[in-house]
Amino acid sequence: GPKVLQIPSHQIIDMGQMVTLNCDPVSNHLYFYWYKQILGQQMEFLVNFYNGKVMEKSKLFKDQFSVERPDGSYFTLKIQPTALEDSAVYFCASSPDWGGGAETLYFGSGTRLTVL
Amino acid sequence: QQQVRQSPQSLTVWEGETAILNCSYEDSTFNYFPWYQQFPGEGPALLISIRSVSDKKEDGRFTIFFNKREKKLSLHITDSQPGDSATYFCAAIANSGTYQRFGTGTKLQVVP
Repeated sequence: GPKVLQIPSHQIIDMGQMVTLNCDPVSNHLYFYWYKQILGQQMEFLVNFYNGKVMEKSKLFKDQFSVERPDGSYFTLKIQPTALEDSAVYFCASSPDWGGGAETLYFGSGTRLTVL
Repeated sequence: QQQVRQSPQSLTVWEGETAILNCSYEDSTFNYFPWYQQFPGEGPALLISIRSVSDKKEDGRFTIFFNKREKKLSLHITDSQPGDSATYFCAAIANSGTYQRFGTGTKLQVVP
């Protein structure tokens, strides 16, 4: 099936540093998402993105977070500066179109971020 | 505020038994409910979904039962197999929503 690739799979950084998480969504998909998962539990929505713009973001999407997809390349999540509570697994997802809410999300395998 | 809840948090069944995973929600505008299956080290993958106009959706060994009045749904896995051992997430979204809200997950273990 369609594959979403996330790079890197694991990232370890010191608190206060900047980190960029990369996502290569399924080609021809138009909608992109970031979710955060802690300790294998609930998937928390962070942000979604369409046509070069953020559609909606949650309270977890702090001012230190930003997303972009320059020129159809990677869809990225940047955290600057990082904090200890940012340690989690971050999942990227994409969907081909807007299904009135019934779109199918395709998830990557996640990037495990460890902030020391 | 947790809008989508799941129970139990973890469940162990014997191979061949039926596993029942529960989900409830608060927002009455939710009308689409996908269930995702997640294996360790992987992202969630869509397993089966249901719209609120239906009260049942079946796909092989997996069946969703939906009770709109009580805002509850359940996923039944019949003839459970060890390969079904995973974490299952119930999600929900409304027509006007822009993202799917995930439940807290149920970790299922199927013992041979």
